[in-house]
This record gives sequence, structure tokens and C-alpha cells, in this order.
Amino acid sequence: EVQLLESGGGLVQPGGSLRLSCAASGFTFGSYAMSWVRQAPGKGLEWVSSISESGSSTYYADSVKGRSTISRDNSKNTLYLQMNSLRAEDTAVYYCAKFRNAMTTVTYFDYWGQGTLVTVSS
Amino acid sequence: QLVLTQSPSASASLGASVKLTCTLSSGHSSYAIAWHQQQPDKGPRYLMKLNSDGSHSKGDGIPDRFSGSSSGAERYLTISSLQSEDEADYYCQTWGTGIQLFGGGTKLTVL
Repeated sequence: EVQLLESGGGLVQPGGSLRLSCAASGFTFGSYAMSWVRQAPGKGLEWVSSISESGSSTYYADSVKGRSTISRDNSKNTLYLQMNSLRAEDTAVYYCAKFRNAMTTVTYFDYWGQGTLVTVSS
Repeated sequence: QLVLTQSPSASASLGASVKLTCTLSSGHSSYAIAWHQQQPDKGPRYLMKLNSDGSHSKGDGIPDRFSGSSSGAERYLTISSLQSEDEADYYCQTWGTGIQLFGGGTKLTVL
């Protein structure tokens, strides 16, 4: 059974930093690209970032480009999102998601985590 | 520019059927999409991938009550024999090289 378990969320002041983690199990983690998607309170889903299965390719939404870094440790089956210079508008539940097909990001999500809440406020 | 458009809300009675729509922007009518369901206070759940020809492949454990179809730039999700647990937000997703895009979501109310 595929499981994705996010952690690392919390309350952070504007301008602060936070690192989110997503522990994956139930599939060959190193064969699949992964992604982060967020959802602001009462709003829809917004793609944040994706990373290839090897970690060699990364992609970012304009809203986080230059402030966030996606990475992964295939030996630990874990995905990360380092977020810096946080703003109030980054307040959201952050979900990690698994891509459907191995070895590509040009596909859709077939499994999601339960999310971790990031609140940016003074 | 690739955009997915969904109606903000829909409603239907318990036991009835409902058809939700996701519309692809002009020039993108050949694109496939995926449908996801998000029940209140839960993470999203993948329902199905839907191709431009209407063929679709569902996720693990998705009931037969959920089906998909296509017409031109429109992608549909039909839910039959509505149950209370179908009350949720439904999102469509499409993708390209280095990008993922979601529709604004449709909130389905089961009356």
C-alpha cells in the first residue's frame, strides 16, 4: 500500500524558513518523480514544485521560485521542501504527491499524502 | 495559455446522478486530464485519468459509480447513485514538461 506522510509544518514568522518532509513507502521511491502541491485556506490546489526520480531535474511554480528548494534522499525514501523568505501568502496545507508513471514528470498524480499545515504569521 | 475551467459548485440528490465538467482552454482540446476528489478535511484522492477520446483508467478501489467521458475540450466526471460520502470538492488536473495545472475545483453538495 502506497503511503505518503508529510511532516515539518508549523507556525513561522514572515521571512522565516521551514523544511517539510514526506516519508514514502509501498512503492519503489527511487523510480518515481515526486511533487509538492499546496492549498491555502478555503482555496483550491496549487502546484508548487516537482523533482525527477534521480533528483537531477527540478521544477518550480513562479510563486515559490528562488525561495524554495525541492530535494530527495532515495536511500531514505524521503522527499523534502526547503522554504525560505516565507510570506503570509505561503500559508497553506502542503501535500506531497506521487507521479503515476515511472521515470517522468509528464504525467499526473496517483497518490497524495494527508498534508502538513504551514502558517506564516507574526 | 493552458487553463482548466470548472464550475464552482454543483448539487444533486442522494441516489441521483451528477455530471461535473472541466473545460480545457482554446487550442488544448487534445489534452488528457486527471480527476481528483477531496473530501472535507482530507487530502486529495486520485479518481481517474481521462483521455480526449473518452477512454479512462481509474485509480485503485474507485467504484464503478464514477465514470468519465469527453467531448471536444470538455472533460466530464459522472457520479451515479450518489452517496453522502460523495459530497466533496472535485479537481481536474493536466500536465506538461515541468508544470502541473489544476482547475479551480467544483464543490459537490449531495442533497
